[in-house]
Amino acid sequence: DAGVIQSPRHEVTEMGQEVTLRCKPISGHNSLFWYRQTMMRGLELLIYFNNNVPIDDSGMPEDRFSAKMPNASFSTLKIQPSEPRDSAVYFCASSLEQGRETQYFGPGTRLLVL
Amino acid sequence: KQEVTQIPAALSVPEGENLVLNCSFTDSAIYNLQWFRQDPGKGLTSLLLIQSSQREQTSGRLNASLDKSSGRSTLYIAASQPGDSATYLCAVSGYSTLTFGKGTMLLVSP
Repeated sequence: DAGVIQSPRHEVTEMGQEVTLRCKPISGHNSLFWYRQTMMRGLELLIYFNNNVPIDDSGMPEDRFSAKMPNASFSTLKIQPSEPRDSAVYFCASSLEQGRETQYFGPGTRLLVL
Repeated sequence: KQEVTQIPAALSVPEGENLVLNCSFTDSAIYNLQWFRQDPGKGLTSLLLIQSSQREQTSGRLNASLDKSSGRSTLYIAASQPGDSATYLCAVSGYSTLTFGKGTMLLVSP
């Protein structure tokens, strides 16, 4: 298996633009997680899905952030409009079973909002 | 709300030394605890997972222990090598999510 795939790997955009991050989880995994990592706050969970259904989005910072999982093999995290404080590394992870199994992380998307 | 603390924040050792990384958490109601490794500019790689009913797990030169009642875990690295240089993160699992510590940045010099 290729592991968790994220795209793009790097994104530079201007404030106010829409940003869409993409994730393909490991085949057969039924839980998917979106994290954000910054120097100040470390690694924070934004939202997670179980069987394509959003279970907990309490970590999503504000309404500018939205996430979807239209099928078991694809998820998006969208920021609209983007702001400089959104600059961070965004990770997607997947696991066989929420809470009990190892999470496998993608390589991350490094986002810079100017 | 679960809080995870890792000490020290950074550690520098010469090659060959044995070392211990520490992790503490505030809520003992956990399903498991995981140790991850993160190389600069890369994602996280799971090293060890300890279920709440277990006391320790071993993989090669790595040994992780868990004392759930006191809210502590340690990661022991034997005979450290320059290739061990990375950031090590501890994460505890509640019902469904992981809460991460901020990590210990380890540098092993030749």
